[in-house]
Amino acid sequence: DTGVSQDPRHKITKRGQNVTFRCDPISEHNRLYWYRQTLGQGPEFLTYFQNEAQLEKSRLLSDRFSAERPKGSFSTLEIQRTEQGDSAMYLCASSLGQDTQYFGPGTRLTVL
Amino acid sequence: KQEVTQIPAALSVPEGENLVLNCSFTDSAIYNLQWFRQDPGKGLTSLLLIQSSQREQTSGRLNASLDKSSGRSTLYIAASQPGDSATYLCAVLIVRAGSYQLTFGKGTKLSVIP
Repeated sequence: DTGVSQDPRHKITKRGQNVTFRCDPISEHNRLYWYRQTLGQGPEFLTYFQNEAQLEKSRLLSDRFSAERPKGSFSTLEIQRTEQGDSAMYLCASSLGQDTQYFGPGTRLTVL
Repeated sequence: KQEVTQIPAALSVPEGENLVLNCSFTDSAIYNLQWFRQDPGKGLTSLLLIQSSQREQTSGRLNASLDKSSGRSTLYIAASQPGDSATYLCAVLIVRAGSYQLTFGKGTKLSVIP
């Protein structure tokens, strides 16, 4: 399967713990995006990378959130000191330039 | 700030019916518009992408139109099938001053009854 993959698919954690998610984009895609989706809402943009450079961050991305794409391939999204309000589906997408964004299956985070 | 609205929020139709889903957006300076499908608990599948210079795109039983000046798009599904049951999301891309964001609507939840 050469689509976008995300790991883990599900994560349950206790409030205050740190969590890290991984996204592997389609191999030739130079852009990678992170979104957050809560129940009954559309996805909300968090941040995007062009190659290894993080070019834009949403105001939703508080200082507890950090994203990296160290070699311009896979990306990680870390949430420190998780809060119950962080519970959501975290979606990753990739694209070649400004073409169609292809989404991964998402990581569902539950903070107890 | 770009806002995207989808009407109706939910729709239930008998199998075989043709149907139209609506999407409106407040900022007409869009780069493109995409329609996605999302099954429960899953990621998004891209259905159609319309560039700002285009009026419509077709794929199989799906046809999407775009009227940028009025801030509207429709997704037409012909001869609906139970397998079409899902949430359909509309998203617009704005490219401006280094910003590059897809803004989504809340979706229309479609149920096709056999």
